[in-house]
Amino acid sequence: QSALTQSASVSGSPGQSITISCTGTNNDVGGYNYVSWYQQHPGKAPKLIIHEVSYRPSGVSNRFSGSKSGNTASLTISGLQAEDEADYYCGSSTGTNAPYVFGTGTKVTVL
Amino acid sequence: QLQLQESGPGLVRPSETLSLTCTVSGDSIRSSSYYWGWIRQPPGKGLEWIGTIYYFGRTDYNPSLKSRVTISADTSKNQFFLELTSVTAADTAVYYCARLPTLTFFDYWGQGTLVNVSS
Repeated sequence: QSALTQSASVSGSPGQSITISCTGTNNDVGGYNYVSWYQQHPGKAPKLIIHEVSYRPSGVSNRFSGSKSGNTASLTISGLQAEDEADYYCGSSTGTNAPYVFGTGTKVTVL
Repeated sequence: QLQLQESGPGLVRPSETLSLTCTVSGDSIRSSSYYWGWIRQPPGKGLEWIGTIYYFGRTDYNPSLKSRVTISADTSKNQFFLELTSVTAADTAVYYCARLPTLTFFDYWGQGTLVNVSS
């Protein structure tokens, strides 16, 4: 099972919106609504920010939103803030007996 | 409030076995509502799923590690464990334990523990 493909880096100015993509195949991203997104600040554990494509856990800012089209899932951060500077990983699994696959990671820089 | 805490040796010799414990507080690993997993992250690199243990003991492993990995649990201590045999420098990483409310995402993570494989 190969890692999901993400762009290496994305940058934006405060207040702008940015979108991070996560590309897989029909066997993972495209075949099921099981994409999740994680935010990781340096030296910290990852934090779940989106699950099942577009659901935000309680306490996560509504500036984070997720979507999917075909084999590509996307994470949009609107109203970019300095605290959003972090690494972002997508992930997907189809469930029982299936491996969990993470994306290659995207570094978000706030200019 | 759910908390997960990894513990174990920070240094393991090449060819030996890496053993880590994840202690869970604030929830029971016996609960049928959750699964529990291990993930690792080599320095400066991305996340890699190692494996998942179901509440009833079944395990799923990353195919690339399957021959060397064992995940088990002690429900009486509310702990689950990772063993990785025949380690090499490539196994040097921060190891995280985490909870899965379904098999498709991790909602709570431990802080992680760095394991160096070196002689």
